[in-house]
Amino acid sequence: AQKVTQAQTEISVVEKEDVTLDCVYETRDTTYYLFWYKQPPSGELVFLIRRNSFDEQNEISGRYSWNFQKSTSSFNFTITASQVVDSAVYFCALNPSGGFKTIFGAGTRLFVKA
Amino acid sequence: DSGVTQTPKHLITATGQRVTLRCSPRSGDLSVYWYQQSLDQGLQFLIQYYNGEERAKGNILERFSAQQFPDLHSELNLSSLELGDSALYFCASSVEGEPYEQYFGPGTRLTVT
Repeated sequence: AQKVTQAQTEISVVEKEDVTLDCVYETRDTTYYLFWYKQPPSGELVFLIRRNSFDEQNEISGRYSWNFQKSTSSFNFTITASQVVDSAVYFCALNPSGGFKTIFGAGTRLFVKA
Repeated sequence: DSGVTQTPKHLITATGQRVTLRCSPRSGDLSVYWYQQSLDQGLQFLIQYYNGEERAKGNILERFSAQQFPDLHSELNLSSLELGDSALYFCASSVEGEPYEQYFGPGTRLTVT
């Protein structure tokens, strides 16, 4: 079965705290792609990152970093020194090889309080 | 701004009616995807078109249909509307088919009364 699980429904932090959003996926394919999207209060989903299954290098982009571990089927997202503008719903998604649809997790709502 | 446009932004209609949602992809993108986002179902993939042809179907009801026109814009038709169809409908586009990242439009909020 192809599945994405984001066990954290809501997370609340205070500004400047670090926060990690968990994502666990299931697929039998050896080639697949993982994504993170952000949905701010305005509603539009924004692409953050794509990672293929052969690239286990962690990635850092400013305050954002991603930790991909095939051994645990996880693709976690960390925001360092969170800011109020980071408040949004974050979706992890999986595209299995040969499939034509992207499977989204249920999303994690992040509240960053000033 | 993702470059994907959707019209209308809001739509209020009655049960049993039919509506058409429109989407224009980013310039150069050949693939269009439709998603439904509701509180209880989350983000559900409905259907994908690539260069005018249907490529993949997800959880799309038979009352719903879509098409992609030669100019690559797409329309999602929802008919015999029910209260449960009230949701946010997103269109997304990508350069080619999966697994490229998708760029989402602002969505159309449909309210069925």
